[in-house]
Amino acid sequence: KQEVTQIPAALSVPEGENLVLNCSFTDSAIYNLQWFRQDPGKGLTSLLLIQSSQREQTSGRLNASLDKSSGRSTLYIAASQPGDSATYLCAVRGTLTGANSKLTFGKGITLSVRP
Amino acid sequence: GAVVSQHPSWVICKSGTSVKIECRSLDFQATTMFWYRQFPKQSLMLMATSNEGSKATYEQGVEKDKFLINHASLTLSTLTVTSAHPEDSSFYICSAHRQGHEQFFGPGTRLTVL
Repeated sequence: KQEVTQIPAALSVPEGENLVLNCSFTDSAIYNLQWFRQDPGKGLTSLLLIQSSQREQTSGRLNASLDKSSGRSTLYIAASQPGDSATYLCAVRGTLTGANSKLTFGKGITLSVRP
Repeated sequence: GAVVSQHPSWVICKSGTSVKIECRSLDFQATTMFWYRQFPKQSLMLMATSNEGSKATYEQGVEKDKFLINHASLTLSTLTVTSAHPEDSSFYICSAHRQGHEQFFGPGTRLTVL
């Protein structure tokens, strides 16, 4: 059974700092990995999707990497801003039924960026 | 990105009543739709997976007779919480997935059962 771990559960940094959010998963046989952002009381916003054959994806100040063999992914946020404060969730999709298999989520990292 | 809507965004109901939540993919046809629930400060827990025109597949521990899922078309899925009780109060989030693409999530529905 796939397990996704995100440590620490919460992180507080000053504005402007570059930071790395970590995600680890136990079963390396994944179809893809997705990073999401969730604001309090809201749904999830997809940030980046990395297919199993890819090593990284970039969008603006965000960069996500994937090391499938070691079961790890990182989300790098450059020049953090108070507006980046949210919970960041990592999720992996298994290969059992291909593209339609379910996502397994980590518990998320709640990020607070101090002005 | 693609848009997934949910209606209503919040609902308060009395214990014993049934509540229906709609999930629509607005600009794409979803191969599969998923329903999740989320408790405060917890991650999303998958309740069921549904494909258009077929019965939903429920996760272990989720009562299919209590949480009725209808996937009428490639753009619409509904979740009905039957005979709701206070312990069913939660944040329900739907998600739509197009094969080979990202999974997009709705804004969630806050259910409070009095």
